[in-house]
Amino acid sequence: ELKVEQNPLFLSMQEGKNYTIYCNYSTTSDRLYWYRQDPGKSLESLFVLLSNGAVKQEGRLMASLDTKARLSTLHITAAVHDLSATYFCAVDYGDFGNEKLTFGTGTRLTIIP
Amino acid sequence: NAGVTQTPKFQVLKTGQSMTLQCAQDMNHEYMSWYRQDPGMGLRLIHYSVGAGITDQGEVPNGYNVSRSTTEDFPLRLLSAAPSQTSVYFCASRRPRGNTIYFGEGSWLTVV
Repeated sequence: ELKVEQNPLFLSMQEGKNYTIYCNYSTTSDRLYWYRQDPGKSLESLFVLLSNGAVKQEGRLMASLDTKARLSTLHITAAVHDLSATYFCAVDYGDFGNEKLTFGTGTRLTIIP
Repeated sequence: NAGVTQTPKFQVLKTGQSMTLQCAQDMNHEYMSWYRQDPGMGLRLIHYSVGAGITDQGEVPNGYNVSRSTTEDFPLRLLSAAPSQTSVYFCASRRPRGNTIYFGEGSWLTVV
Protein backbone atom coordinates (compact mmCIF):
# COMPACT_ATOMS: atom_id res chain seq x y z
CA GLU A 1 0.00 0.00 0.00
CA LEU A 2 1.37 3.35 -0.97
CA LYS A 3 1.73 5.82 1.86
CA VAL A 4 2.38 9.50 1.38
CA GLU A 5 3.48 11.55 4.37
CA GLN A 6 3.76 15.28 4.49
CA ASN A 7 5.37 17.37 7.14
CA PRO A 8 4.78 19.60 8.78
CA LEU A 9 1.01 19.33 8.94
CA PHE A 10 0.68 22.91 10.12
CA LEU A 11 3.07 25.73 9.40
CA SER A 12 2.79 29.30 10.58
CA MET A 13 5.46 31.59 9.26
CA GLN A 14 6.16 35.27 8.97
CA GLU A 15 6.16 37.13 5.74
CA GLY A 16 9.57 37.30 4.15
CA LYS A 17 10.80 34.02 5.61
CA ASN A 18 11.79 30.84 3.78
CA TYR A 19 10.54 27.38 4.53
CA THR A 20 10.26 23.88 3.08
CA ILE A 21 7.43 21.35 3.05
CA TYR A 22 8.46 17.71 2.77
CA CYS A 23 6.65 14.86 1.05
CA ASN A 24 7.84 11.30 1.60
CA TYR A 25 6.31 8.32 -0.13
CA SER A 26 6.70 4.60 0.34
CA THR A 27 6.56 3.00 -3.11
CA THR A 28 8.50 3.74 -6.25
CA SER A 29 6.87 6.27 -8.52
CA ASP A 30 8.18 8.77 -11.01
CA ARG A 31 5.18 11.08 -11.07
CA LEU A 32 4.50 13.48 -8.25
CA TYR A 33 2.10 16.39 -8.11
CA TRP A 34 1.80 19.43 -5.90
CA TYR A 35 -1.54 21.13 -5.42
CA ARG A 36 -2.79 24.17 -3.59
CA GLN A 37 -6.24 24.32 -2.00
CA ASP A 38 -7.92 27.41 -0.57
CA PRO A 39 -10.72 26.92 1.97
CA GLY A 40 -13.91 25.72 0.34
CA LYS A 41 -12.27 25.54 -3.07
CA SER A 42 -11.04 22.91 -5.48
CA LEU A 43 -7.43 21.95 -6.07
CA GLU A 44 -5.14 24.15 -8.09
CA SER A 45 -2.29 22.39 -9.86
CA LEU A 46 1.11 23.84 -8.98
CA PHE A 47 3.72 21.42 -10.25
CA VAL A 48 4.05 18.08 -12.00
CA LEU A 49 7.40 16.34 -11.39
CA LEU A 50 8.13 13.48 -13.74
CA SER A 51 11.69 12.37 -13.24
CA ASN A 52 14.43 12.04 -10.69
CA GLY A 53 16.12 15.36 -10.09
CA ALA A 54 13.25 17.35 -11.56
CA VAL A 55 13.06 20.90 -10.29
CA LYS A 56 10.33 23.37 -11.16
CA GLN A 57 9.83 26.93 -10.03
CA GLU A 58 6.93 29.31 -10.23
CA GLY A 59 7.22 32.63 -8.47
CA ARG A 60 8.10 32.08 -4.82
CA LEU A 61 7.51 28.33 -4.98
CA MET A 62 10.02 25.71 -6.06
CA ALA A 63 9.45 21.96 -6.10
CA SER A 64 11.96 19.16 -6.48
CA LEU A 65 11.85 15.38 -6.73
CA ASP A 66 14.33 12.75 -5.57
CA THR A 67 12.92 9.39 -6.64
CA LYS A 68 15.75 7.43 -5.05
CA ALA A 69 15.02 8.94 -1.65
CA ARG A 70 11.27 8.93 -2.41
CA LEU A 71 11.18 12.55 -1.36
CA SER A 72 9.78 15.73 -2.82
CA THR A 73 10.13 19.19 -1.38
CA LEU A 74 8.17 22.39 -1.86
CA HIS A 75 10.28 25.39 -0.97
CA ILE A 76 8.77 28.76 -0.24
CA THR A 77 10.96 31.79 -0.67
CA ALA A 78 10.21 35.14 0.99
CA ALA A 79 6.67 34.15 1.88
CA VAL A 80 3.79 36.55 1.28
CA HIS A 81 0.28 36.45 2.73
CA ASP A 82 -1.24 35.31 -0.57
CA LEU A 83 0.54 31.97 -0.18
CA SER A 84 -1.61 31.07 2.80
CA ALA A 85 -3.42 27.84 1.82
CA THR A 86 -3.26 24.08 2.25
CA TYR A 87 -0.67 22.35 0.08
CA PHE A 88 -0.94 18.72 -0.95
CA CYS A 89 1.49 16.40 -2.62
CA ALA A 90 0.13 13.42 -4.51
CA VAL A 91 1.91 10.39 -5.92
CA ASP A 92 0.65 8.61 -9.01
CA TYR A 93 1.00 4.85 -8.62
CA GLY A 94 -1.10 3.79 -11.58
CA ASP A 95 0.08 2.75 -15.00
CA PHE A 96 1.07 5.79 -17.00
CA GLY A 97 -2.02 7.74 -17.83
CA ASN A 98 -4.16 5.58 -15.58
CA GLU A 99 -4.18 8.16 -12.89
CA LYS A 100 -4.47 6.70 -9.39
CA LEU A 101 -3.31 9.36 -7.02
CA THR A 102 -2.49 8.90 -3.37
CA PHE A 103 -2.51 12.18 -1.53
CA GLY A 104 -0.65 13.32 1.51
CA THR A 105 -2.68 14.74 4.39
CA GLY A 106 -1.76 18.29 3.46
CA THR A 107 0.21 21.13 5.02
CA ARG A 108 -1.84 24.05 6.21
CA LEU A 109 0.30 27.11 5.67
CA THR A 110 -0.49 30.40 7.37
CA ILE A 111 1.59 33.45 6.54
CA ILE A 112 1.57 36.08 9.26
CA PRO A 113 2.11 39.70 8.22
CA ASN B 1 -14.07 26.87 -20.95
CA ALA B 2 -16.28 24.59 -18.85
CA GLY B 3 -13.59 22.05 -17.94
CA VAL B 4 -14.88 19.58 -15.33
CA THR B 5 -18.39 20.35 -14.12
CA GLN B 6 -19.90 18.81 -11.01
CA THR B 7 -23.50 18.97 -9.85
CA PRO B 8 -24.95 19.50 -7.35
CA LYS B 9 -22.55 21.71 -5.41
CA PHE B 10 -24.34 21.13 -2.10
CA GLN B 11 -26.66 18.33 -1.04
CA VAL B 12 -28.18 17.12 2.21
CA LEU B 13 -29.40 13.52 2.32
CA LYS B 14 -31.12 11.42 4.92
CA THR B 15 -29.58 8.11 5.90
CA GLY B 16 -30.68 5.42 3.52
CA GLN B 17 -31.48 7.71 0.62
CA SER B 18 -29.78 7.29 -2.71
CA MET B 19 -28.51 9.95 -5.05
CA THR B 20 -26.21 10.57 -7.98
CA LEU B 21 -23.41 13.09 -8.17
CA GLN B 22 -22.93 14.21 -11.73
CA CYS B 23 -19.59 14.87 -13.42
CA ALA B 24 -19.10 16.04 -16.97
CA GLN B 25 -16.03 17.17 -18.88
CA ASP B 26 -15.84 18.80 -22.29
CA MET B 27 -12.14 18.17 -22.99
CA ASN B 28 -12.59 14.71 -24.52
CA HIS B 29 -10.51 13.18 -21.72
CA GLU B 30 -10.43 9.41 -21.55
CA TYR B 31 -9.48 9.20 -17.90
CA MET B 32 -11.90 10.26 -15.18
CA SER B 33 -12.03 9.61 -11.47
CA TRP B 34 -13.85 10.38 -8.25
CA TYR B 35 -12.22 11.31 -4.96
CA ARG B 36 -13.55 12.15 -1.55
CA GLN B 37 -11.98 14.56 0.90
CA ASP B 38 -12.70 14.34 4.59
CA PRO B 39 -11.82 17.13 7.04
CA GLY B 40 -8.09 17.48 7.59
CA MET B 41 -7.24 14.84 5.04
CA GLY B 42 -6.08 14.54 1.50
CA LEU B 43 -8.21 13.16 -1.27
CA ARG B 44 -8.88 9.43 -1.50
CA LEU B 45 -9.72 7.64 -4.74
CA ILE B 46 -13.19 6.08 -4.91
CA HIS B 47 -13.53 4.85 -8.50
CA TYR B 48 -11.86 5.60 -11.78
CA SER B 49 -12.40 5.01 -15.49
CA VAL B 50 -9.95 4.80 -18.38
CA GLY B 51 -12.62 5.13 -21.04
CA ALA B 52 -16.25 4.59 -21.91
CA GLY B 53 -17.45 1.25 -20.64
CA ILE B 54 -14.43 0.68 -18.37
CA THR B 55 -14.43 1.37 -14.65
CA ASP B 56 -12.45 0.13 -11.67
CA GLN B 57 -12.29 0.51 -7.92
CA GLY B 58 -10.00 2.83 -6.07
CA GLU B 59 -9.04 2.95 -2.42
CA VAL B 60 -12.48 3.50 -0.86
CA PRO B 61 -15.16 2.10 -3.22
CA ASN B 62 -17.64 0.63 -0.73
CA GLY B 63 -21.08 2.22 -0.86
CA TYR B 64 -20.51 3.81 -4.26
CA ASN B 65 -21.29 2.79 -7.80
CA VAL B 66 -20.14 4.26 -11.10
CA SER B 67 -20.74 3.79 -14.80
CA ARG B 68 -19.20 5.33 -17.90
CA SER B 69 -21.52 5.19 -20.86
CA THR B 70 -19.98 8.19 -22.62
CA THR B 71 -16.57 9.83 -22.67
CA GLU B 72 -18.03 13.05 -21.26
CA ASP B 73 -19.93 11.80 -18.20
CA PHE B 74 -18.92 9.87 -15.11
CA PRO B 75 -21.70 9.83 -12.50
CA LEU B 76 -21.15 8.61 -8.94
CA ARG B 77 -24.07 6.89 -7.23
CA LEU B 78 -24.56 6.56 -3.52
CA LEU B 79 -26.68 3.46 -3.12
CA SER B 80 -27.85 3.91 0.49
CA ALA B 81 -26.35 7.00 2.08
CA ALA B 82 -24.68 6.73 5.47
CA PRO B 83 -23.35 9.48 7.76
CA SER B 84 -19.83 8.19 7.06
CA GLN B 85 -20.28 9.36 3.47
CA THR B 86 -20.51 12.97 4.57
CA SER B 87 -17.63 14.47 2.66
CA VAL B 88 -16.56 16.68 -0.21
CA TYR B 89 -16.45 14.85 -3.51
CA PHE B 90 -14.18 15.82 -6.38
CA CYS B 91 -14.29 14.59 -9.92
CA ALA B 92 -11.13 14.71 -12.04
CA SER B 93 -10.15 14.06 -15.63
CA ARG B 94 -7.03 13.75 -17.75
CA ARG B 95 -6.25 13.01 -21.35
CA PRO B 96 -4.24 9.87 -22.13
CA ARG B 97 -0.53 10.40 -21.44
CA GLY B 98 -1.30 13.89 -20.21
CA ASN B 99 0.42 15.26 -17.14
CA THR B 100 -2.21 17.71 -15.99
CA ILE B 101 -5.16 16.46 -13.96
CA TYR B 102 -8.20 18.72 -13.97
CA PHE B 103 -10.43 18.81 -10.92
CA GLY B 104 -14.03 19.90 -10.66
CA GLU B 105 -15.19 22.45 -8.11
CA GLY B 106 -16.39 19.82 -5.66
CA SER B 107 -19.71 18.61 -4.29
CA TRP B 108 -20.40 19.05 -0.58
CA LEU B 109 -22.52 16.18 0.69
CA THR B 110 -24.02 15.90 4.17
CA VAL B 111 -25.80 12.75 5.30
CA VAL B 112 -27.97 13.15 8.39
